[in-house]
Amino acid sequence: KAGVTQTPRYLIKTRGQQVTLSCSPISGHRSVSWYQQTPGQGLQFLFEYFSETQRNKGNFPGRFSGRQFSNSRSEMNVSTLELGDSALYLCASKPLITGELFFGEGSRLTVL
Amino acid sequence: QQQVKQSPQSLIVQKGGISIINCAYENTAFDYFPWYQQFPGKGPALLIAIRPDVSEKKEGRFTISFNKSAKQFSLHIMDSQPGDSATYFCAATVGSQGNLIFGKGTKLSVKP
Repeated sequence: KAGVTQTPRYLIKTRGQQVTLSCSPISGHRSVSWYQQTPGQGLQFLFEYFSETQRNKGNFPGRFSGRQFSNSRSEMNVSTLELGDSALYLCASKPLITGELFFGEGSRLTVL
Repeated sequence: QQQVKQSPQSLIVQKGGISIINCAYENTAFDYFPWYQQFPGKGPALLIAIRPDVSEKKEGRFTISFNKSAKQFSLHIMDSQPGDSATYFCAATVGSQGNLIFGKGTKLSVKP
C-alpha cells in the first residue's frame, strides 16, 4: 500500500507570494490533517478534512487555508507569505477506526 | 489546558543504556497517548500508544509508563541502540478521531 505522498518536497518563495501544497492520502483514508513543524514550536495542528469538509481547525491565521477533493486528496494554501512561515508542512491521513496518523515526508517551505 | 509538555529537549545515551523521555498534560479529557518517532528527512511514525485504563504498555524494547493521577506519561527505551537516534514526540488527544496535540519533541542520540 502506498504511503502518504506530498508534493512538492522542497520549495522556495519570497515574502508576499502564495504557495499551494498537495497531499495524497493512503488509499481508503478519508481524513487528512495538516501540521506545521518548526524547530521552536514543534508540530502544530493546522486543520483536518474529512469527506471534503473541514472538521477541525488549529490556531493559525486565515492566510492558511485548505481543501479536500472527492478522492480525498488535499491541498493547503498559504497566502501573503511571511518569513515566519518557513517550516516543514506535514500531511497525515487517518483510517476511520484507529487514531493512528500516517505522515508523509513533508513539504519544506523556505520564505526569503 | 491543551498543552503537552515534553522533557528533555535533547538526550544523549550510551549504547545499551536506558533512554527516558517524559511528558505531562493538563487536560483530563485526554484518553489516547501515542509516541511518534521521526528520523531526519522523514515524517513522524507511530511507535507505541497507550490508553489511560492501563499503567504500562510494552512493545519490544519500548515501554510507555502512564500515571493518571499525576497526569504524566513516559517512554522508556531499553538497551538503546544507535539506530534509535531520532526525535521522539509524545502526543495526546480526546477519542481516536480527535486532533493530536504534540509535545515539542526530544532529540535522542545514542552513542556507540
